Amino acid sequence: DAGITQSPRHKVTETGTPVTLRCHQTENHRYMYWYRQDPGHGLRLIHYSYGVKDTDKGEVSDGYSVSRSKTEDFLLTLESATSSQTSVYFCAISDPMGGARGYTDTQYFGPGTRLTVL
Amino acid sequence: GENVEQHPSTLSVQEGDSAVIKCTYSDSASNYFPWYKQELGKRPQLIIDIRSNVGEKKDQRIAVTLNKTAKHFSLHITETQPEDSAVYFCAASSSSGGYNKLIFGAGTRLAVHP
Repeated sequence: DAGITQSPRHKVTETGTPVTLRCHQTENHRYMYWYRQDPGHGLRLIHYSYGVKDTDKGEVSDGYSVSRSKTEDFLLTLESATSSQTSVYFCAISDPMGGARGYTDTQYFGPGTRLTVL
Repeated sequence: GENVEQHPSTLSVQEGDSAVIKCTYSDSASNYFPWYKQELGKRPQLIIDIRSNVGEKKDQRIAVTLNKTAKHFSLHITETQPEDSAVYFCAASSSSGGYNKLIFGAGTRLAVHP
């Protein structure tokens, strides 16, 4: 499972409240990603990081911010949660050593966080 | 930007039959095409991937083919088993060997009936 954990695993919150989701990895992966998964949409990239303090937007970044102050942690923040942000959120990493095939771009996913905004 | 379409959205087969899932992509610069399997309540897991310098790749009962001219790629599962039942996602990206922004299809729910 590439040493990826996510916390919390489940969260219920109310509209307008701030929410922070954490992705933690133990294997020094350089590249980290946040996706959301909704029925009929597959997985959509929210933000990604290519190093400490280096982040960029994905295809659905509005309403989300991220931070990466340490290699092992990638935080996703919903500044003011809305019902449209009810979703399952997955963190992913790219294999930094290239794995057996020698590539660094294969992505492995964390266990996910189910977020409900009422 | 890249857009990936996946068909069919649902697929039902009898155990032992073959299953084929097709994806098309729009960006001719895309060069990396992974397939993920997701069981209910679990994380997506990579089952096979292919790069644009290869036309076909096989791993036991699973194979992927890529047609760069037509911009489509397909997943083939032979001798299906009940444990193959899951949602399958295709994806595409233009990878430079480091980070890459995967664009996913909407998924195919495969049901294998004993």
